[in-house]
Amino acid sequence: EAGVTQFPSHSVIEKGQTVTLRCDPISGHDNLYWYRRVMGKEIKFLLHFVKESKQDESGMPNNRFLAERTGGTYSTLKVQPAELEDSGVYFCASSLILAGSETQYFGPGTRLLVL
Amino acid sequence: SQQGEEDPQALSIQEGENATMNCSYKTSINNLQWYRQNSGRGLVHLILIRSNEREKHSGRLRVTLDTSKKSSSLLITASRAADTASYFCATDIQDSSYKLIFGSGTRLLVRP
Repeated sequence: EAGVTQFPSHSVIEKGQTVTLRCDPISGHDNLYWYRRVMGKEIKFLLHFVKESKQDESGMPNNRFLAERTGGTYSTLKVQPAELEDSGVYFCASSLILAGSETQYFGPGTRLLVL
Repeated sequence: SQQGEEDPQALSIQEGENATMNCSYKTSINNLQWYRQNSGRGLVHLILIRSNEREKHSGRLRVTLDTSKKSSSLLITASRAADTASYFCATDIQDSSYKLIFGSGTRLLVRP
């Protein structure tokens, strides 16, 4: 069974440009999470989808970030326009059901560098 | 302040020795998970311990959870050079999304 995959693995863009990150969760997993780790800080939650619906987007930093999960399969996270402080590693995770003891499986992350 | 705090921030040991990492948290949790991240790679899930469990084993890993002290420890026995990585504890708070709250991690170096 394939794990969580993310694309691209790395992205280098200039301030003001747009970048779109993609996450493919484990097949059949309804729950999809986005997290990010900016330089030197903790991994922080961004948002959570249950199928195609946003369950919790309390961690989204501002309206330059837009996440979608059309059809309830893969998800995209768009940053427009990108700022220097958006640099970091963006992780996606998925879990099968929404429960208190459910493991979240993480993808390899996308390393974003905004110059 | 953070929900999960690891201690120590960095640990260097000789291959074959045991490594112990600690994690403290602040709010009520459903479970606590430990993850490993090798340099430049994603997070690998190691073990999950539920709030009503006190100890759990998986291979060379032993995790304890003390909910009265809001703390957990991860013990890696007979360490190997391949165990060199950053280790994170993560708790999920009792809300609607079960989002994980991560600590800052412990960087473990196992010298061959």
